[in-house]
Amino acid sequence: DTAVSQTPKYLVTQMGNDKSIKCEQNLGHDTMYWYKQDSKKFLKIMFSYNNKELIINETVPNRFSPKSPDKAHLNLHINSLELGDSAVYFCASRAGTGRYEQYFGPGTRLTVT
Amino acid sequence: GQSLEQPSEVTAVEGAIVQINCTYQTSGFYGLSWYQQHDGGAPTFLSYNALDGLEETGRFSSFLSRSDSYGYLLLQELQMKDSASYFCAVAPSDKLIFGTGTRLQVFP
Repeated sequence: DTAVSQTPKYLVTQMGNDKSIKCEQNLGHDTMYWYKQDSKKFLKIMFSYNNKELIINETVPNRFSPKSPDKAHLNLHINSLELGDSAVYFCASRAGTGRYEQYFGPGTRLTVT
Repeated sequence: GQSLEQPSEVTAVEGAIVQINCTYQTSGFYGLSWYQQHDGGAPTFLSYNALDGLEETGRFSSFLSRSDSYGYLLLQELQMKDSASYFCAVAPSDKLIFGTGTRLQVFP
């Protein structure tokens, strides 16, 4: 019955590797997001998709590439991982117009060594 | 630019009332939201104010003054489980811009 799910929960990898994080929501929401939370707990939006279309790209390095195969899924692929990419990545979703609450997934803690 | 300021930490005892303030500067504004995040957990939605005034949801209330670019979250009858980080967030468009977060510690 999980509303927004992410896999994996933990990801430990070495610099230079490529990795993916998957996100799925079963709420029927139209809009999905990726956020990055750094070690100081600062939450920053990275991307937003509405019905599989990219609508927000917050000047994220192009090593990060989101992909939305359908409106229930939003995956994040990261190429050439760097130490500074270590963070917790949250996926979130939001219902349509007029509903502002966002529902967050459990997060993926990425550690780059 | 866009920024939201919150106190970094607040402490209180069980049963007390605490207020977490948020001042913001944004280029557009659709409303002020509050999220709670326990250590190791995900942010969870608490409240949303689009218009000036007070919104009450159980022990939690949220206030907004758009003319002052200011809002607050009021937590009453504090419980130990309220120990968490609290984030205000504004929606200048379809995205959320989060504040720096306030860590609330509730002591017995």
